[in-house]
Amino acid sequence: QKEVEQNSGPLSVPEGAIASLNCTYSDRGSQSFFWYRQYSGKSPELIMFIYSNGDKEDGRFTAQLNKASQYVSLLIRDSQPSDSATYLCAVNPTGNQFYFGTGTSLTVIP
Amino acid sequence: EAGVTQFPSHSVIEKGQTVTLRCDPISGHDNLYWYRRVMGKEIKFLLHFVKESKQDESGMPNNRFLAERTGGTYSTLKVQPAELEDSGVYFCASSPVQKIYEQYFGPGTRLTVT
Repeated sequence: QKEVEQNSGPLSVPEGAIASLNCTYSDRGSQSFFWYRQYSGKSPELIMFIYSNGDKEDGRFTAQLNKASQYVSLLIRDSQPSDSATYLCAVNPTGNQFYFGTGTSLTVIP
Repeated sequence: EAGVTQFPSHSVIEKGQTVTLRCDPISGHDNLYWYRRVMGKEIKFLLHFVKESKQDESGMPNNRFLAERTGGTYSTLKVQPAELEDSGVYFCASSPVQKIYEQYFGPGTRLTVT
């Protein structure tokens, strides 16, 4: 079983719609959760992190965490073509190790 | 502020040769991480430095890999001798002491072993 699971996609949404990206993790003791955006050929860029159950909003992005279900998601409202990228979920169980998912490819169609 | 830089951007070597990758973190970032992404797989943690000290190297695949961070500034990752399965993209990331989890990634070094 992988530490972090993501649907590889591709996920396609029309411009202006809500994109929903999902991630599950195996270590129930995990404390910190991160979403990275990676454009093709570029480095991963941290866009959101969440530590507590519930929602955390930052502009058009909302991270949702449910530790009981071991589930973390990222919602992108009013999706724009510039949001087209691969989104990586990362989990920090304990210490300094980070486990990444394989990423979900998102395409926003104009 | 300059970001994390890595050199070279690409390297093609033959099996059995040695390659050294370099990472320059953001100035003032004490934490430095090395990751590797093999094609089609997830990014995997290799090791973590705090200044010049190895905090966690549990992700290093084997003793053909050697990472150093002399002086606590830039870091090198040497692969000797390289094997075919070492091919992939090697990322470096850094973070400040105050925000240890907010890692800034470099552009990566694409290593191809033939």
